[in-house]
Amino acid sequence: SAVISQKPSRDICQRGTSLTIQCQVDSQVTMMFWYRQQPGQSLTLIATANQGSEATYESGFVIDKFPISRPNLTFSTLTVSNMSPEDSSIYLCSVAGANQPQHFGDGTRLSIL
Amino acid sequence: DAKTTQPPSMDCAEGRAANLPCNHSTISGNEYVYWYRQIHSQGPQYIIHGLKNNETNEMASLIITEDRKSSTLILPHATLRDTAVYYCIVRVSSGNTPLVFGKGTRLSVIA
Repeated sequence: SAVISQKPSRDICQRGTSLTIQCQVDSQVTMMFWYRQQPGQSLTLIATANQGSEATYESGFVIDKFPISRPNLTFSTLTVSNMSPEDSSIYLCSVAGANQPQHFGDGTRLSIL
Repeated sequence: DAKTTQPPSMDCAEGRAANLPCNHSTISGNEYVYWYRQIHSQGPQYIIHGLKNNETNEMASLIITEDRKSSTLILPHATLRDTAVYYCIVRVSSGNTPLVFGKGTRLSVIA
């Protein structure tokens, strides 16, 4: 299965600032997704990162708050903008190939003060 | 919304089989049953998936009822390292559709 690396693994940020999370995969993948996991909760899909075009966002998530880039088949970034304490969560990158199970990185643990 | 129902928590004695149930009564003909688990501080880990036949791999066995409305994940000899939240998810196999997570079952393996 694909090896997924996320950076940073954790961070503590001040409210009002922005943080960009990187997701690097060791092989080309068809699909890349971003999830959020709030404390004590299950995973919620933020968006599908589309190569060469705008990401597809789920209900309740908007591009101005969570801009996503996917310049190629092995790399994507998620930015959490204008952060508030409510954005304190684990953010996870996930990938899938055609007819392959989805795999996850270990996430970025984000705390906002 | 998640299309599966799982008990919120279960306990299992170390060395015994852990049987985790899942109801998916509205599953469609082209949807597979996937199982993932999330150990504390890690991302979800793929365990197994199946369409209608029972499946077995080095981690677990998946038993799907004939009507496909429910399934059971079996960990044959649970260890303390199997303590995790287990998610049962239904989706088509193509990979283009992202997984939608429910609340899962928190399995505690007890020494």
